Amino acid sequence: SAVISQKPSRDICQRGTSLTIQCQVDSQVTMMFWYRQQPGQSLTLIATANQGSEATYESGFVIDKFPISRPNLTFSTLTVSNMSPEDSSIYLCSVEDRKWGTDTQYFGPGTRLTVL
Amino acid sequence: AQSVTQLDSHVSVSEGTPVLLRCNYSSSYSPSLFWYVQHPNKGLQLLLKYTSAATLVKGINGFEAEFKKSETSFHLTKPSAHMSDAAEYFCVVSPKGSARQLTFGSGTQLTVLP
Repeated sequence: SAVISQKPSRDICQRGTSLTIQCQVDSQVTMMFWYRQQPGQSLTLIATANQGSEATYESGFVIDKFPISRPNLTFSTLTVSNMSPEDSSIYLCSVEDRKWGTDTQYFGPGTRLTVL
Repeated sequence: AQSVTQLDSHVSVSEGTPVLLRCNYSSSYSPSLFWYVQHPNKGLQLLLKYTSAATLVKGINGFEAEFKKSETSFHLTKPSAHMSDAAEYFCVVSPKGSARQLTFGSGTQLTVLP
C-alpha cells in the first residue's frame, strides 16, 4: 500500500491563527482526501483533492475556512484558517490505492491539533 | 444513501479469549465494506475489505469478518485476543467502485485485559 506522511504530527496553536498541514505520498495518486476526527468521534470527510482542479468540499465545510492545495500527484496541503478551540481535532489525509481496488483508501498518521 | 451502526461503543475481553465487534450497515446499492483499526496516536490501518468475492474475509493480524446480506451485518472476529489488539475499530461502508464516499461507523473501543 501507499506510504503516507503528514507534517506536523501535532501542534498547539492560538485562537485566530492558521495552520497548514502537509500530506506526502510515496507514489502518484489521483485522489487525495482530507478528514477531521473530533475528540472521541468518528471521521468526517472535509474535502476531496484532485490534482489540477479545485477541491470538492463536503456539506458544512467551506474553502475559506479549509483551503486546500494539490500541486502535484504526490502532495497536498490543508490549511485550517482563523482557528478556534472547536477546530481542535485530528486531521487525516488519505489516498485512493488502486492495488486494492478503486474504492479503498489508505490513511496517513494524522495531525493532532489543539487550539487554545 | 448508506449508513453504518457499530452496536458497541466499548468492548472488553481478556487476553486469549475471542473478540466480536458488531457492525450493521444500510445501503441502497451493492456495498463495499471495510474494517479499519486506529491505535492510540496513530493513523487508520486497513484490517480487511469485503468486495463480494467471498462472504468470509480474512484480514491482517488474525482478524476476519463475515458478510451476511440477509442480516445486513459485517461483524469482525478474532479467535484469541492479544494485548496489542487494544485499539479503536471502525466499520466503514462505501458504494462499490466509489473511492470518495466512505461512511464511517462511530467506532468501537476494544480493551484487552491481562
